Amino acid sequence: AQTVTQSQPEMSVQEAETVTLSCTYDTSESDYYLFWYKQPPSRQMILVIRQEAYKQQNATENRFSVNFQKAAKSFSLKISDSQLGDAAMYFCAYRSAQGGSEKLVFGKGMKLTVNP
Amino acid sequence: EPEVTQTPSHQVTQMGQEVILRCVPISNHLYFYWYRQILGQKVEFLVSFYNNEISEKSEIFDDQFSVERPDGSNFTLKIRSTKLEDSAMYFCASSERLAGVDEQYFGPGTRLTVT
Repeated sequence: AQTVTQSQPEMSVQEAETVTLSCTYDTSESDYYLFWYKQPPSRQMILVIRQEAYKQQNATENRFSVNFQKAAKSFSLKISDSQLGDAAMYFCAYRSAQGGSEKLVFGKGMKLTVNP
Repeated sequence: EPEVTQTPSHQVTQMGQEVILRCVPISNHLYFYWYRQILGQKVEFLVSFYNNEISEKSEIFDDQFSVERPDGSNFTLKIRSTKLEDSAMYFCASSERLAGVDEQYFGPGTRLTVT
């Protein structure tokens, strides 16, 4: 079974600074997808960024980018120029690309605080 | 922008009672999901639903649980006889299609408290 680990329960960053959120996962599969979801306080989870495992190039979405290290099974999220609105719970998630499984496997989440 | 909605936001029930959690997925989505998060633990997959039947379920989703799409808009999760350990945040999600990096859109959740 696949597992996702987010070892840092909380982090803080100063506004305008850069922060990196770590995520590791365990799988025996070669083809899969990885996601970062953001959940602001009292709001729904929204997708921040996704990565297909077969792609070597790291995904980027504006101020958000990932460092995908397939051999190390690591998938970290970098937030550049942090803004107050980035404060949220961040969840790393895995989804198999094999066998038609739709389920997301989540890490425990990490609370990011952005200090003005 | 279309959103997944869930009602109620908070449900308190007594052990042994039946509860129905309701979700309205995004209107053109065809795949529906339930996840739950017990306080302090990971978000866990419960079930996925497509074409009016369960397509995948986890070992958590036992006979106490059922899902239904009673009409063209609602998607419900029923817990037949609630236990204390069913207390959790329940998230509904929907997606447009199965293949590839299809995004699952989540609702805000229903907090279920079983006393």
